Amino acid sequence: DVKVTQSSRYLVKRTGEKVFLECVQDMDHENMFWYRQDPGLGLRLIYFSYDVKMKEKGDIPEGYSVSREKKERFSLILESASTNQTSMYLCASILSGRLDEQFFGPGTRLTVL
Amino acid sequence: EDQVTQSPEALRLQEGESSSLNCSYTVSGLRGLFWYRQDPGKGPEFLFTLYSAGEEKEKERLKATLTKKESFLHITAPKPEDSATYLCAVQASGAGSYQLTFGKGTKLSVIP
Repeated sequence: DVKVTQSSRYLVKRTGEKVFLECVQDMDHENMFWYRQDPGLGLRLIYFSYDVKMKEKGDIPEGYSVSREKKERFSLILESASTNQTSMYLCASILSGRLDEQFFGPGTRLTVL
Repeated sequence: EDQVTQSPEALRLQEGESSSLNCSYTVSGLRGLFWYRQDPGKGPEFLFTLYSAGEEKEKERLKATLTKKESFLHITAPKPEDSATYLCAVQASGAGSYQLTFGKGTKLSVIP
């Protein structure tokens, strides 16, 4: 079974802090994604990476950056956390181009105070 | 702009009471339509992909169908374990290869 794991299930940070969310997948998938999920808004794509060191902006990249130094690991960085970044963050991965087999992690619920 | 609208927002069914969830979409050209199931506190789990109008796919009590403007997820004789939020997403042919537009979901509750 493909496993996508995320470093924390729950995280509480203060406004202005630098926040790192980490995601690891164990199936040698090329493509990885970061989404956020908010009530009434659904899932929205923040960034995705189609290979190591390669990234592209999604629909809502403002206030976020990403890092992919190794194939199995994709990090989401909030440079200076703000209260409007309180959300559920979901990581996902796929074999190259296979959106019909997208595997999601369990999510990180981030609260910014 | 690509749009996905799911209805109803919430649905309560008695165990065994069949029904359908709707996903209406507006895209420049459809590359694929995806259905996911999401349990509370978990990430979405892939259910189906549909590519062209008229296509149908089944899995246990679930059947997904696709027309040129909408998709239905039919649930036959549901059980309490089918309770979850069901998400619909589309991949437009004009979009980046990896971008999906998601609906807000339908929260299904099946009462014993």
